Parts: sequence; C-alpha cells; structure tokens
Amino acid sequence: EAGVAQSPRYKIIEKRQSVAFWCNPISGHATLYWYQQILGQGPKLLIQFQNNGVVDDSQLPKDRFSAERLKGVDSTLKIQPAKLEDSAVYLCASSLGRPVSGLDYGYTFGSGTRLTVV
Amino acid sequence: KQEVTQIPAALSVPEGENLVLNCSFTDSAIYNLQWFRQDPGKGLTSLLLIQSSQREQTSGRLNASLDKSSGRSTLYIAASQPGDSATYLCACAGNYGQNFVFGPGTRLSVLP
Repeated sequence: EAGVAQSPRYKIIEKRQSVAFWCNPISGHATLYWYQQILGQGPKLLIQFQNNGVVDDSQLPKDRFSAERLKGVDSTLKIQPAKLEDSAVYLCASSLGRPVSGLDYGYTFGSGTRLTVV
Repeated sequence: KQEVTQIPAALSVPEGENLVLNCSFTDSAIYNLQWFRQDPGKGLTSLLLIQSSQREQTSGRLNASLDKSSGRSTLYIAASQPGDSATYLCACAGNYGQNFVFGPGTRLSVLP
C-alpha cells in the first residue's frame, strides 16, 4: 500500500514570497489533515478535511494560509505572504474517517515538507 | 482545551537499559492516546494506541500505560537499542479518535 505522498521535500523562500505544498493521501482515506511542526515542538493541526469539506480550521492563520481539497483526494496548502515564523515542517496525514473495529482509523503521516523562510 | 506535556525533553542512555518516557494531559475526557515515533526528516510512525477504556498496550519491547484519572501515560522501552534513537511523541485524541493534540516529544539517544 502506498503511503501519504508529499512534495516538495524541502523549500527555501524569502519572506513575503508565496509557497505551496502538495499532499496525496492514501487511496480511500476520507479525512486529510495538515499539521505544522516547529522545531522542538509537537505537530499542531492547521486544517482537517472530510472528503472535500473543511471540518476544522480553527488554528489556520487565514490571513496568509489557505488550503483546498477540491475533488476530495489530493490537497494543497498555500502560504502567501510567508513570514520568518512560518519556518517549520508541514506534515500531511490521512485516515479512514471512520473506525475499523472501533479501533483503527488507519491514521498515516507523510514525510513532510521542510520550509525555511529567510 | 487539551494540553499535553512530555518529560523529559531529552534522554540519553547506554544500550541495554530499560527506560520510561512520561506524558501528561490536562483533559481526561480523551477517546484514545497514541504514542508515535519520529525519525529525523521523517513523518510520524504509530507505535501503540490505547483506547480510553484500556489500561495498557504492548508491542514487542514497548509497553504503554494509561491512567485517565491522573492524566498520565507512560511508554516503557525494555532493553533499549541504538535503533530506538528517535523522538517519541504522545498524542491525545478526542472526537471519536481524531483531532490529535500532540505533546512536544522526548528526544531519545541510545548509545552503543
């Protein structure tokens, strides 16, 4: 089974530039998440999609961050304009969106995109 | 609002030692708690998942316990190996097993 695919792996941009990240979840996974992980911290949820609808975007800085999942499959996360404090690893995860045997959602993370803003 | 902390922030042990990593959470109304491993430059790999009704889970040399009333979980690693070197994160899930809130992690180094 293929995992969660993310690209690019690394990105260096200057502040005030824009950047976009792409995620392709595991086939059949209805739920997709974007997390921000700042160095030395645990991942923080930015946005959660159920199919192509937004379930939770309460921690997404909407003045500069946007995300979409138009066909309920892959997703893009965009930052415009970037700030120095946006330097982090951006992780995408996906899950079935419903429990299997009451236990396992098949929650799987991608390898992430490391963003450096200079 | 759920807050998750982990102690210690970093740990260095010689190979073969048994060790315990600690996780604390403020809201005991969790659906489950999960321990993850993160290697440098990689995503997160799930190690153990404990449902809120369970007290512990075991997988090989790993054992995770959960005490909801005290808001604590521990990850016990037996006979540590250099390959166990990684960052270990715990995460509490609400909302029927989703919407994880992560701790900051414990960075473990096992020295040969």
